[in-house]
Amino acid sequence: QSVLTQPPSASGTPGQRVTISCFGDTSNVGANYVYWYQQLPGTAPRLLIYSNNQRPSGVPDRFSGSKSGTSASLAISGLRSEDEGDYYCAAWDDRVLGGVLFGGGTKVTVL
Amino acid sequence: QVQLQESGPGLVRPSQTLSLTCAVSGDSVISPDSYWSWIRQPPGKGLEWIGFIYSSGSTHYNPSLKSRLNISLDASKNHFSLKLASMTAADTALYYCVRGRPATRFDYWGQGTPVTVSS
Repeated sequence: QSVLTQPPSASGTPGQRVTISCFGDTSNVGANYVYWYQQLPGTAPRLLIYSNNQRPSGVPDRFSGSKSGTSASLAISGLRSEDEGDYYCAAWDDRVLGGVLFGGGTKVTVL
Repeated sequence: QVQLQESGPGLVRPSQTLSLTCAVSGDSVISPDSYWSWIRQPPGKGLEWIGFIYSSGSTHYNPSLKSRLNISLDASKNHFSLKLASMTAADTALYYCVRGRPATRFDYWGQGTPVTVSS
């Protein structure tokens, strides 16, 4: 099963803006909502963004999502040390034997 | 507050079948709005969706695992279960049970249970 494509790493200094991309195709990202999950060290993942650009209650507005065509992005503005961790995108794949696809994950480092 | 708790053996021998159970509280496994998934994470690697079961009992599995996989639910105990046959070292991972509303919107996660495949 194919995965969505994310850069393996991203970094920034406190206060900076960091953007993470997620590339798919017309059967997944291009056809369905994209979701983003944050996994801090030693913890279970947490829903960060749903339906491309919606934040669950409790998620700071420093986190924002967008989608255009077959790619999506997660932006973290005002980067903070506690944002350091792994970030995953996910989308449903419409192929006959599809299902939920995850990106490979992006490790965000706060310098 | 919805809570999920995985349980199962931490060690499985190669070729054996893994059996895990996820106890759910704060929601019903037969709620029409909820999809109950298993997701795993090999050591130092990313997330892999294993499959889900819906309240009706219908299932959808990762194509790469479909031939070895069975997910079921027990409404009387409010839990759902995973059975993965013919385990190999490649199945060594942290296994999470997760609620989806809808299927890809994973809003509640268990803490994860580690499974090691070794003789």
